[in-house]
Amino acid sequence: DQQVKQNSPSLSVQEGRISILNCDYTNSMFDYFLWYKKYPAEGPTFLISISSIKDKNEDGRFTVFLNKSAKHLSLHIVPSQPGDSAVYFCAASAMNYGGSQGNLIFGKGTKLSVKP
Amino acid sequence: EAGVAQSPRYKIIEKRQSVAFWCNPISGHATLYWYQQILGQGPKLLIQFQNNGVVDDSQLPKDRFSAERLKGVDSTLKIQPAKLEDSAVYLCASSSRRLANEQFFGPGTRLTVL
Repeated sequence: DQQVKQNSPSLSVQEGRISILNCDYTNSMFDYFLWYKKYPAEGPTFLISISSIKDKNEDGRFTVFLNKSAKHLSLHIVPSQPGDSAVYFCAASAMNYGGSQGNLIFGKGTKLSVKP
Repeated sequence: EAGVAQSPRYKIIEKRQSVAFWCNPISGHATLYWYQQILGQGPKLLIQFQNNGVVDDSQLPKDRFSAERLKGVDSTLKIQPAKLEDSAVYLCASSSRRLANEQFFGPGTRLTVL
C-alpha cells in the first residue's frame, strides 16, 4: 500500500507559466516532507522541504504548500523554465520513537515537461 | 565539496550471477543509504547505516542481498545470486547528523539482469 502518492505521472506546462505538482499521503505520522528533482542518468537532487509545523515554505521560484487536514502537499514552480523539465519525487518521513527522523518514503514521481 | 560517488554506472549480468556495487559518501556524512529504484517507481530504501552500524535493513532481501560499511566510510552492496526482478537502478545516498533529512544521492548504478 502506497503511503505517498503522486497521481499524475506527467505534466506539461508552457515556459513562464506556473507548474503545480501534487502529492498525497496516508500516514498521519509523517511530519517532514521533501521534494526531489531527478534528471535522466542522475541521482535525485534535494529541492525543498517542509516541516509539519508549517504550511508553506518558499525558496526562490519554488514554494511547497502543506495541507495537513487533507494530507496533501503541492510544489509550485513560478515561473517555469525549460531547465525545470525533470521527474519530481515527493518524499515523507516520520519521527522515530528515539527522536530521530525516520526513513524517507518516496512517491512514484511526476515527469514535468516545460515547453519553450 | 565532492558528491556521492558510485561505481560502476552500468552493469549487465545473467540471472544467478553475482554483482557488487560500491559507494563513497560525502566526506563527513555519518549516515549512508542504499535504495533500489525500479523503473516507474520511486526509490525504495534497502538499508541504512549509521557510521559502520546497520540502523534499518528491514526491506533488504537478506537471502540474496548483503551490504557492509566496514570502516564507516565506503560501502558495498552485493547481490548473490541475481534474479530478473533485481533489474533496477541502485542509488546510494548520504546525510549528515545536522541535516539528517536532506539526503544527497549519487548517480546510481543501473543493473540489468538477463
